[in-house]
Amino acid sequence: DAGVIQSPRHEVTEMGQEVTLRCKPISGHDYLFWYRQTMMRGLELLIYFNNNVPIDDSGMPEDRFSAKMPNASFSTLKIQPSEPRDSAVYFCASSPIQTEAFFGQGTRLTVV
Amino acid sequence: DAKTTQPNSMESNEEEPVHLPCNHSTISGTDYIHWYRQLPSQGPEYVIHGLTSNVNNRMASLAIAEDRKSSTLILHRATLRDAAVYYCILTAGYALNFGKGTSLLVTP
Repeated sequence: DAGVIQSPRHEVTEMGQEVTLRCKPISGHDYLFWYRQTMMRGLELLIYFNNNVPIDDSGMPEDRFSAKMPNASFSTLKIQPSEPRDSAVYFCASSPIQTEAFFGQGTRLTVV
Repeated sequence: DAKTTQPNSMESNEEEPVHLPCNHSTISGTDYIHWYRQLPSQGPEYVIHGLTSNVNNRMASLAIAEDRKSSTLILHRATLRDAAVYYCILTAGYALNFGKGTSLLVTP
């Protein structure tokens, strides 16, 4: 397996624009996680899914953020409208039941 | 999840063992102890995890105190590639909540 695949690797967008980050988890993994990393706040868990169902979205910063998992092989994290303070590296991770999580390479988002 | 305390940074010489400590005095009976590391410009990487007994794998060893209020990640021979931020995380569920971790510097 190629591991967790995230796209794009880098995204630069203007404030107010919609941004969509994509993630393909490892096949057979039941859990999918979205994290955000900044220098100030470190790694923050935003939301996670089990079998495509959102389980805990308490880390989503505000209503501008939304995440979906339409099937077991694809998830998106959308920010609409984007703001400069959303600039960060966003990581997707997937995990089989009760074992280690595998992280993607991340998407570096810059909102100008 | 219970809180963990780690030193902000540590330094080691190449090819020497490294002991990375983690205190978790409020750990509950169902909390697993996980260690992840993050190399520069990469996503976090699983290292090891355990519940009560010491654990070994190809990357490292995990020594867990008898009262489970602390643990130590042991890298048996540090290499330059081991320079990373090491995170000690407690979880009884499936979500990992990362703290600030320990930044390990390995010098030749």
